[in-house]
Amino acid sequence: KQEVTQIPAALSVPEGENLVLNCSFTDSAIYNLQWFRQDPGKGLTSLLLIQSSQREQTSGRLNASLDKSSGRSTLYIAASQPGDSATYLCAVRPKDSNYQLIWGAGTKLIIKP
Amino acid sequence: NAGVMQNPRHLVRRRGQEARLRCSPMKGHSHVYWYRQLPEEGLKFMVYLQKENIIDESGMPKERFSAEFPKEGPSILRIQQVVRGDSAAYFCASSPPGGGAHTGELFFGEGSRLTVL
Repeated sequence: KQEVTQIPAALSVPEGENLVLNCSFTDSAIYNLQWFRQDPGKGLTSLLLIQSSQREQTSGRLNASLDKSSGRSTLYIAASQPGDSATYLCAVRPKDSNYQLIWGAGTKLIIKP
Repeated sequence: NAGVMQNPRHLVRRRGQEARLRCSPMKGHSHVYWYRQLPEEGLKFMVYLQKENIIDESGMPKERFSAEFPKEGPSILRIQQVVRGDSAAYFCASSPPGGGAHTGELFFGEGSRLTVL
C-alpha cells in the first residue's frame, strides 16, 4: 500500500533563505508526483508535476526533483519570501490508477519577514 | 471563466443532521472528484464521478455517505446522520475529458468546512 510522508511537518525560516521540503513514498511504481500549495481556508494550487520518467521540473523560484528508485522528491524554494508561507503538499499517482492521488500530510512553511 | 465552485464554504451541523455539499466544476469539465481532509492530515480520495455516473466510490464510507453528479446542476456530496468524526474539510476537484491526475489538469475548489457539534 502506497504511503506518502512529508518531513518536517512545519518549518519556519527567515526571509531570503533557500529551503528544501521533503516528500517520500513507499512504492516506486508511480506514474507521476505533484506538488501543491494550500493557503489557509483556500483550495489547492498545483505547483509542479513530475512524470515518472523525469528527474526535475522548474517553475520560477521553485524546483522539484524526483528520485523514483529511492522513493523521494524534494521541493526547493529559492530566495524565500513571506508570500511563500503556506502548506505544501505532495501527492503521487500510483501506476495502477488513472486518477487517484495519494497525499502526504503536508509541510507548513512560515517565512519570517 | 470561474474555477471550481464549492458551497457552502462553512457548514455547522448537530449530530444526527444531514449535510449537503455542492460542487460546480469548471466550465467544460465533466469529471468530478471529492476528497476529505481531516485536521493535520493529507487529503483522502472519496469518490470519482462523471456526469450521471459514479466511476469509483472506493474511498467513501459505505454508510451515511452518498454522492451524485446529475446531468444538470452541481455534484452533491451528502452525509446523513452526521457524527463528530465527519468534521473535516471536503474538497472537490474537476478535470476535463482526458485530463486528471495523469496530466496534472486537476483543479480544486476552496473546500467546504463541515463542523459537527
